[in-house]
Amino acid sequence: DIQMTQSPSSVSASVGDRVTITCRASQDVSNWLAWYQQKPGRAPKLLINSASRLQDGVPSRFSGSGSGTDFTLTITSLQPDDFATYYCQQANGFPITFGQGTRLDIK
Amino acid sequence: QVQLQESAPGLVKPSDTLSLTCSVSGASLGGYFWTWIRQPPGKGLEWIGHIYYNGRTSNPSLSSRVTLSVDTSKNQFSLKLSSVTAADSAVYYCAKSYDSSGYRYGMDVWGQGTTVTVSS
Repeated sequence: DIQMTQSPSSVSASVGDRVTITCRASQDVSNWLAWYQQKPGRAPKLLINSASRLQDGVPSRFSGSGSGTDFTLTITSLQPDDFATYYCQQANGFPITFGQGTRLDIK
Repeated sequence: QVQLQESAPGLVKPSDTLSLTCSVSGASLGGYFWTWIRQPPGKGLEWIGHIYYNGRTSNPSLSSRVTLSVDTSKNQFSLKLSSVTAADSAVYYCAKSYDSSGYRYGMDVWGQGTTVTVSS
């Protein structure tokens, strides 16, 4: 199985800050990497597919980059609605696997 | 607007078979991959498996215990998980692939999730 490791596991930040979350795959996943946002008690929401393609309706302060084994999700100018848990997910090999999640809290 | 709704008994006994159904509205099953994901309490997401509208399945993580099926006449797809234990207690989600060209672009529509507890 392809292991996905996110860092940090949790981060505290303030409204207006810039935050970067990294995701590392245990083997090459090309650009088949998606990012999700999940709030407590809610289903995950797809933010980015193919490592860098923003879903329709997702604010442009979210961006993704990377290929191969190393990926990043960047949120510029944090808004109150952004405080949530973020997951990366690879779809290059079966089983499809998720990172362990990064919890973004308000400082 | 595409919507997914899971239905399932909330409580399942150990060693029994868990049966989940996802009803799809606002889209037909055709052309998309339909996925099951679960999330144990306080933990991360685990992909269980997916099925194409024609019945073709992936290699599910729990393959020896998992059966996936589709019913295009009812616009539903289903998951059966046999020989359940307490470790199978989780919120179970169904989801739709974002792109009709494949499963690699992520899952853009999710059900609200259904909590399944395995206990005698």
